[in-house]
Amino acid sequence: QITLKESGPTLVKPTQTLTLTCSFSGFSLSTSGVAVAWIRQPPGKALEWLALIYWDDDKRYSPSLKSRLTITKDTSKNQVVLTMTNMDPVDTATYYCARKYIVGTSVLFDYWGQGTLVTVSS
Amino acid sequence: QTVVTQEPSLTVSPGGTVTLTCASNTGAVTRGYYPNWFQQKPGQAPRALIYSTSNKHSWTPARFSGSLLGGKAALTLSGVQPEDEGEYYCLLYYDYSWMFGGGTKLTVL
Repeated sequence: QITLKESGPTLVKPTQTLTLTCSFSGFSLSTSGVAVAWIRQPPGKALEWLALIYWDDDKRYSPSLKSRLTITKDTSKNQVVLTMTNMDPVDTATYYCARKYIVGTSVLFDYWGQGTLVTVSS
Repeated sequence: QTVVTQEPSLTVSPGGTVTLTCASNTGAVTRGYYPNWFQQKPGQAPRALIYSTSNKHSWTPARFSGSLLGGKAALTLSGVQPEDEGEYYCLLYYDYSWMFGGGTKLTVL
């Protein structure tokens, strides 16, 4: 059974750095073709892809947020960490992590966490 | 700036058929964009429906299908059920990053 769960602060102040952890089970981030992605969704708005990290430690970031994001993994702990610097109220959103998997020529985002709401306010 | 466009809202009658589309301002959507489709209901995390244009996950109901249509990615629901009401998002691949569409709110009425 594959599960993912996000954790981190529910409230951060403007200009602070946000650190979120995605803890997962049922798969390994050392398996070829596997990656973990972060996605966010402001209240009442659309999903926004943020970043992902591959089994081989390759990393990809949203071009619009690249300067503020860092994604890392701890394979032994089955965790992926996302940091976002210089938080602003517009960054208030539910943050999700999801598994990305490459099977042959197919690419899929199959399992998602339940999400964690982060509010940015002074 | 890359923009992925979906119909903001659609309405369908129970038992009917509806097609949602996903367009890119960079040109025609092809299989190389690896279109993925997700369903989201209020208060819930998104649920994966379709990957790489037309492949279904093991949990995807048979009434959902994905395709390429007129230069866009498309999600067709045939024999719509009341529980299909919700928000639908497409996801496309661009040069080592990914982008979601703005979502389509599907009403079953």
